[in-house]
Amino acid sequence: DIQLTQSPSFLSASAGDRVTITCRASPAIYTHLAWYQQKPGKAPKLLISAASTLQSGVPPRFSGSGSETEFTLTINSLQPEDSANYFCQQIKSYPMTFGQGTRLEIK
Amino acid sequence: EVQLLESGGGLVQPGGSLTLSCAASGFTFNTYTMSWVRQAPDKRPEWVAVIRGNGGDIHYVDSVKGRFTISRDNSRNTLYLQMRNMRAEDTAIYFCVKGLNTGYYSNDWGHGTQVTVST
Repeated sequence: DIQLTQSPSFLSASAGDRVTITCRASPAIYTHLAWYQQKPGKAPKLLISAASTLQSGVPPRFSGSGSETEFTLTINSLQPEDSANYFCQQIKSYPMTFGQGTRLEIK
Repeated sequence: EVQLLESGGGLVQPGGSLTLSCAASGFTFNTYTMSWVRQAPDKRPEWVAVIRGNGGDIHYVDSVKGRFTISRDNSRNTLYLQMRNMRAEDTAIYFCVKGLNTGYYSNDWGHGTQVTVST
């Protein structure tokens, strides 16, 4: 199985800050990676596909980069509504695994 | 508008069985691969199973192989997940997801149905 390791597990930042979440894949997955945002009681929401493609309707302060084994999700100019859990997911092969998640708190 | 409505969750004893349903609307159901994804409390989501639009090419995560069966009825626009010999670790919210497959992303998830395996 492809393993995805996210870091950090928890992140606390202030509104207006820039934060970066990392997802490391083993083995390499080219750019077959998605980023999701999940708020309590809700299904995950797709933010970014193919490592860097921003989904329609997602604010441009969200961006993704990386390939093969290292990927990053960057959120610029944090807003209070960005408080959520963030997960990466690989769709290169079965089983389609997720990272363990990053909880983002806005101070 | 895509709608995915899961049902059939509930409380079941270890070793018991349950069948989940996902009623789909707003798209041509028989042309889309469908997946089940589950999420235990405060855990990461876990992809469970996938089935192609024609009912073929089925895959499962190892932890449910031999116990869970994914199927679909294209005449009823409904996806199913039969769960047998259930374990405590199957306790989770189960989501139905349109289009999620290797090489394909999806932002169309249902709201989920809660499954609890406990005595």
